[in-house]
Amino acid sequence: RKEVEQDPGPFNVPEGATVAFNCTYSNSASQSFFWYRQDCRKEPKLLMSVYSSGNEDGRFTAQLNRASQYISLLIRDSKLSDSATYLCVGREGSARQLTFGSGTQLTVLP
Amino acid sequence: NAGVTQTPKFRVLKTGQSMTLLCAQDMNHEYMYWYRQDPGMGLRLIHYSVGEGTTAKGEVPDGYNVSRLKKQNFLLGLESAAPSQTSVYFCASSPAGLAPRDTDTQYFGPGTRLTVL
Repeated sequence: RKEVEQDPGPFNVPEGATVAFNCTYSNSASQSFFWYRQDCRKEPKLLMSVYSSGNEDGRFTAQLNRASQYISLLIRDSKLSDSATYLCVGREGSARQLTFGSGTQLTVLP
Repeated sequence: NAGVTQTPKFRVLKTGQSMTLLCAQDMNHEYMYWYRQDPGMGLRLIHYSVGEGTTAKGEVPDGYNVSRLKKQNFLLGLESAAPSQTSVYFCASSPAGLAPRDTDTQYFGPGTRLTVL
C-alpha cells in the first residue's frame, strides 16, 4: 500500500466550478503535509501547506484530519490556469523527507 | 537568486554508460535531495544529504551514488545506466532550521530528462 494515496483523476471541470481533491496517508509519523502543483513536464511547486486548523489562500482551501489520516484541497471558482497535476505530499524524518502521492490531474475547460 | 539549477536538462545514454547529474543551489540550504519521477507516478526519493560531506539512502537508491563535497552542490551518479533508469530526475533543497510556515518545504530544480537506450 502506498504511503500517500490520491485519486488520479482526471478531473475535467468547467471554468468557475468548485472541485475537491482528497488524499489519504498511512504513515502516522508524518509531521507535515503539503499540496504541490506540477505543470506538464515542469518541477513541482508548493501550492500550500496543510494544517489541522485548516488554511485558506484565496480560492484554495486545504484541510488536514489527523484522526482520519485524510487531507483535502478545495478549489473554488476554477480558472483555466488551474489546469495541472496536484500532488499530495507528506513530510517525515529528521531530514524532512517528502513522500509524494501519484497526483490528481485537473483540466479546467472553457 | 537562481534557486535550484540542474545540469544537464536532457541526456540520452546507452546501456552501460555512466554519467553524473549536477544540482546546485544558492539559497545556503543545508538539506538536498534527489528524486526520480516516472510516468503517472509521484516523485520517489533516491538519496539525500543533510550537510556537506554526508549522504543517505532514500526509497530507491539502487544503481545510484551521490556526493556532497560542497554545501551548494549535490551530485547524482549512474555508474552503469540501465533502461529502467529512464526517468525525469529532480533535485531539491530545503533549510534545516525552522522556516516561516509558508516557506517550510523543499524547493525544486527544473529537472533532467534522462533516456537510457
